[in-house]
Amino acid sequence: GAVVSQHPSWVICKSGTSVKIECRSLDFQATTMFWYRQFPKQSLMLMATSNEGSKATYEQGVEKDKFLINHASLTLSTLTVTSAHPEDSSFYICSARALDRFETSGNTIYFGEGSWLTVV
Amino acid sequence: RKEVEQDPGPFNVPEGATVAFNCTYSNSASQSFFWYRQDCRKEPKLLMSVYSSGNEDGRFTAQLNRASQYISLLIRDSKLSDSATYLCVVNLIKAAGNKLTFGGGTRVLVKP
Repeated sequence: GAVVSQHPSWVICKSGTSVKIECRSLDFQATTMFWYRQFPKQSLMLMATSNEGSKATYEQGVEKDKFLINHASLTLSTLTVTSAHPEDSSFYICSARALDRFETSGNTIYFGEGSWLTVV
Repeated sequence: RKEVEQDPGPFNVPEGATVAFNCTYSNSASQSFFWYRQDCRKEPKLLMSVYSSGNEDGRFTAQLNRASQYISLLIRDSKLSDSATYLCVVNLIKAAGNKLTFGGGTRVLVKP
């Protein structure tokens, strides 16, 4: 089945540095990818919708200059957390939409394995 | 009011018992619905889609009540491995594209 790969799974960085997280669709093309953040014991919060070849659409309250999203190809989207601070420590998850030929109702969403970011 | 609301639980369930819980959504224009399962420190995984007519997958039954704007998940003959957080997901199709909104999750603990 469709697989979405996210890398790195775990990252620890110093405050003030930038971290890049990659999200790849391995066996399908994803025109749209989504980036979520999940704090402990909370649900997933959509940060932004990433569309291949165009600018990402950010949710209200998400700083686009801090969370840079690039969707340069149909199989890769990246999230860069710039000038990371301890409060950015969280679980970041991407998802990608796959068009299913056999599903007339719409698309299927597949999640990456997630990336744990710890800023110290 | 949150767009998608769930009882956070935890629901403590004896092994072999049945547990059911709901998820309410606020936007009547929501078009598709899903239940995802999330294990601790892992990504969510699709458990099942929820259809208007209700659907069953083994021990899991999902139902949709559009009039009252809620979906439900029922787990029969609970197994220890069913312990997880169950996320309700609502899809709203907008001009800009689909928007998935997650509920806060319902935690289920199945105990021997």
